[in-house]
Amino acid sequence: DAKTTQPTSMDCAEGRAANLPCNHSTISGNEYVYWYRQIHSQGPQYIIHGLKNNETNEMASLIITEDRKSSTLILPHATLRDTAVYYCIGNAGGTSYGKLTFGQGTILTVHP
Amino acid sequence: DAGVTQSPTHLIKTRGQQVTLRCSPKSGHDTVSWYQQALGQGPQFIFQYYEEEERQRGNFPDRFSGHQFPNYSSELNVNALLLGDSALYLCASTTLTGGKNIQYFGAGTRLSVL
Repeated sequence: DAKTTQPTSMDCAEGRAANLPCNHSTISGNEYVYWYRQIHSQGPQYIIHGLKNNETNEMASLIITEDRKSSTLILPHATLRDTAVYYCIGNAGGTSYGKLTFGQGTILTVHP
Repeated sequence: DAGVTQSPTHLIKTRGQQVTLRCSPKSGHDTVSWYQQALGQGPQFIFQYYEEEERQRGNFPDRFSGHQFPNYSSELNVNALLLGDSALYLCASTTLTGGKNIQYFGAGTRLSVL
């Protein structure tokens, strides 16, 4: 699985968009980019994933650069409940299906 | 529809003891993975069970073992506990037929080894 690099922490004002970057310059062609988040004292929660096209669901949007070396998770209107650790993970499925390699993640703090 | 459930919520053991943690996967899921999360770190993959067999394993010693039952529930066993085994143990479930590799996590079992 690709090594991913994320900023250690970020701040965001409530109601504003939170843009969380992730670098995955070694990602291979068949590896998807997954985003999970972990709110304090809970298990990680799936947010969104993509291969090369931008994706959007009810929680967030995922923008992947054309060369696939980086991506940005966008929470369009952050709330206090979005305060969490956000993990960007590369996974190719296949023999590594189901095995997620978590890094340190980005601590996102949403403040009033 | 119940999600992934884990028991117990908290557990305190002493060094050298053995512990068993339990996990019931989300309805419709047949694959269970276990993760260890030390304080301040991201979860680390221990192993995964599918069709009652260990399908893949992370870099953990043989003291860590598991089992999957016909109803897809799973157990994680840790023998000869060390202080360093103190962590949050997370269970995640998915289905290999889904094609999306989306893991659903339980709230975890907090293990303290004294």
